Amino acid sequence: GQQLNQSPQSMFIQEGEDVSMNCTSSSIFNTWLWYKQDPGEGPVLLIALYKAGELTSNGRLTAQFGITRKDSFLNISASIPSDVGIYFCAGQLKGAQKLVFGQGTRLTINP
Amino acid sequence: DTAVSQTPKYLVTQMGNDKSIKCEQNLGHDTMYWYKQDSKKFLKIMFSYNNKELIINETVPNRFSPKSPDKAHLNLHINSLELGDSAVYFCASSQPGYTTMGEKLFFGSGTQLSVL
Repeated sequence: GQQLNQSPQSMFIQEGEDVSMNCTSSSIFNTWLWYKQDPGEGPVLLIALYKAGELTSNGRLTAQFGITRKDSFLNISASIPSDVGIYFCAGQLKGAQKLVFGQGTRLTINP
Repeated sequence: DTAVSQTPKYLVTQMGNDKSIKCEQNLGHDTMYWYKQDSKKFLKIMFSYNNKELIINETVPNRFSPKSPDKAHLNLHINSLELGDSAVYFCASSQPGYTTMGEKLFFGSGTQLSVL
C-alpha cells in the first residue's frame, strides 16, 4: 500500500529546543495533516494543510505543505514538557477516500 | 462532552473468544472508521462506513465484522480472537468535504485489546 516515510523515528531533546520533523512520499498528496498522540489517548489533529507551499501555524507549531506536494514539515519552537508524545503525519491522495499515516516521530524532552 | 467515545478502554480475553468494541460519535459526522495501532504505533485503517454503508474494507480477516446501526455508531465485533489481534483499536469519525479539502479525523481514546 501507499507509504509515507516519516523521520526521525524518535527525538531526544532538551526543554526549550526547537524540533523539526518531516514526511516524504513518492506520490503527490492533496492534503497533509499533522496529529499528536499522547499516551493512552487517540491522535489529535494539530494542523491541516491543503495547498502546495502553504505555511500554517498553531501556537508554537508550524507546518508546511511542500512545494512538490510530496512532502510536509512540522516545526515546534521552544519545546516544553507537554510537547512529549508521538507525532504523526497523514496524507490524502487526490480522489482517495482514506488517509495514509506515517510511522510516527516519538518526541522525548529532558527537563 | 466527549466527541468520539469507545468502550471498553481495556479488553483482556482468551484466545478463541468473541468480543465487541462499541463506538459512538456526537459530532454529527457522516463517516466513521476503525483503525488498528500495532505495538510499533503504526496506524492502519481497517474499515470505513459512510452513513451506515461500508466504503472501505482493508483486507481485514472476516473474523472482524463491523456494524453500523446508524451513522453515529460503529461497532466492531471480533470472532475467534487470536494472539495477533492484540493491539489498540481506534474509532474515528470525519465529515468529508470537497475532494481537495481532505478529511480531518477525530479519534476516540482507543481500546487496548490483549489476547492471552
